[in-house]
Amino acid sequence: GENVEQHPSTLSVQEGDSAVIKCTYSDSASNYFPWYKQELGKGPQLIIDIRSNVGEKKDQRIAVTLNKTAKHFSLHITETQPEDSAVYFCAASGSGGSNYKLTFGKGTLLTVNP
Amino acid sequence: NAGVTQTPKFQVLKTGQSMTLQCAQDMNHEYMSWYRQDPGMGLRLIHYSVGAGITDQGEVPNGYNVSRSTTEDFPLRLLSAAPSQTSVYFCASRRMGQGWHEQYFGPGTRLTVT
Repeated sequence: GENVEQHPSTLSVQEGDSAVIKCTYSDSASNYFPWYKQELGKGPQLIIDIRSNVGEKKDQRIAVTLNKTAKHFSLHITETQPEDSAVYFCAASGSGGSNYKLTFGKGTLLTVNP
Repeated sequence: NAGVTQTPKFQVLKTGQSMTLQCAQDMNHEYMSWYRQDPGMGLRLIHYSVGAGITDQGEVPNGYNVSRSTTEDFPLRLLSAAPSQTSVYFCASRRMGQGWHEQYFGPGTRLTVT
């Protein structure tokens, strides 16, 4: 099945700096890569996603890049703000008989210091 | 829309007790799933369903049962609780069809087994 590795596990930045979180996946047939933000005591919420036919996608201060050849994708947050502090999860879709499942990375705790 | 709802929010069980975690969605989503979240382990899939009457196992199904009698509801049953099942449980749902669609998570149930 799919395996997703996420790094770093913790990330601390100063307000206004950029933050980058990286994920690698194992199944070359995976074609959907979402990113979720989880605030304390809440369920994960989708913040951005990318499909395998696209190399980059932006939404205001958030961007995701995908390198299918290397099987890795990254989340970029620019001009970070204290409200960006949360746990971020990447995920990858399966393929074939596993195409109903999302496999998640272990998460990155992002802290933005004022 | 209420989205994905879960009850209860908190639960304490003694080893060997049974209980059912409730999950409901009002978005007419075909796909529903249960995850558990443990520190440093990310979100791991327990069971999922692609429609009423259809369920399948995820990554960590042992000790849990599910059924899907309606589109809206997808309860998770612990038949004989064990301390290893202490975790935060999230239910999620999404629309199926061509390609991938946003997966919505509920607010979670925090379960402690003593």
